Parts: sequence; structure tokens; C-alpha cells
Amino acid sequence: QKEVEQDPGPLSVPEGAIVSLNCTYSNSAFQYFMWYRQYSRKGPELLMYTYSSGNKEDGRFTAQVDKSSKYISLFIRDSQPSDSATYLCAMSVGDNFNKFYFGSGTKLNVKP
Amino acid sequence: SQTIHQWPATLVQPVGSPLSLECTVEGTSNPNLYWYRQAAGRGLQLLFYSVGIGQISSEVPQNLSASRPQDRQFILSSKKLLLSDSGFYLCAWKQQGSGYTFGSGTRLTVV
Repeated sequence: QKEVEQDPGPLSVPEGAIVSLNCTYSNSAFQYFMWYRQYSRKGPELLMYTYSSGNKEDGRFTAQVDKSSKYISLFIRDSQPSDSATYLCAMSVGDNFNKFYFGSGTKLNVKP
Repeated sequence: SQTIHQWPATLVQPVGSPLSLECTVEGTSNPNLYWYRQAAGRGLQLLFYSVGIGQISSEVPQNLSASRPQDRQFILSSKKLLLSDSGFYLCAWKQQGSGYTFGSGTRLTVV
């Protein structure tokens, strides 16, 4: 069983839609969670970094962690064509030289 | 602000040839540095990390090696490339309490 599972998509939505991207994980000890956006042939760009459970908001992006269900989500409000990219989740037990486990990414396409 | 430089952007190498990818970081001292590989349709795989000059930890036994000759320089090498070494190689730095900052990546194709 993989440490982190992520639906590869592609997920296609119209411009302005609310997008929900999700990851599930198997290790209940994970406490640190990250979301990255990766454009084609580019390095991943950090969107959100969160610790433990709850929500964190940054502009149009909201990260949600449900540790009881071992499930994390990234919501994108008012999606734009420029949001079209692959979104990666990552998580770890600790944040001090600990290994972060990455999902394989969900490809998002926002249509104008 | 901190920036990370990685080169070359693309590389096509024959099987059995050597490899050297370089990464440098600016705007920070004594960074924790990482080499990741991303295969098509797969997540990022941690290859090596370094907490200081000459200190290298390997996560995956393989055909690759890493070195850190200077505080802000991290090098990924191979003596003889295999077809399976093809992929997208990413250098990153990270400090505690924040996420990774990745370089722009090197797309390596071994032919």
C-alpha cells in the first residue's frame, strides 16, 4: 500500500468553478502536510504548508486536514485557466530532516 | 530572498556515460539540501539529502551519488548512466517550519 494516494485525474472544470483536490494516506502519525502546484516541465511551487488538523486559507486556496479520516484536501475558489497544472500533496511525521512522502499528483484543467 | 539555481534544464545522455548535475542556493547559509527524482506519472522520490558540507544521506540505493563540496552547492553524479536513470531531477532546500523550495529541474533522458 502506498503511503499517499492521489487521484491522477485529469480533472476538468469550467472557469470560476470551485475545485476540490484530495489525498488519502495510511500513516496516522503524519502531522505535516504540504500542497504544491507544478506547471509542465517546471519545478513544484509551494502553495500551502500546514500542521496537524484544521483549515488554512491563503487567498483563493484553502487547505483542509482531517486526521481522523486520514484525508487532506485543497480547495481552489474562482478557478482560473492559470490554475491549470498538476497538484501534488506531501506529508511527513515530523519536520526536522524527516522524509516527506509525495502523492503522484492530480492534473487539473480549467477551461475558459 | 532565497533562490535556487539548477542546471542544465535538459540533458540527453547515452547509456554508460557519466552524469553531473549541479545545484546552488543563494540568500541563505547552511541550508538543508535535497535531490528528488520525478518519474512520469509518479510522485517525487527522495534520493539524497545533506545537512552540511560533506554530509550526505542516501535514501535509495542506486546508481547515483551526491556530494556537497561547498555550503550552498549540491551535486548529483553517476559514473555510468542506466536507462532507468531517466527522469526529472529536482534540487530543493528546506528549513524547519516551511515547505521545500524546488529548483526548476533537469530533465534527463538516457538513450
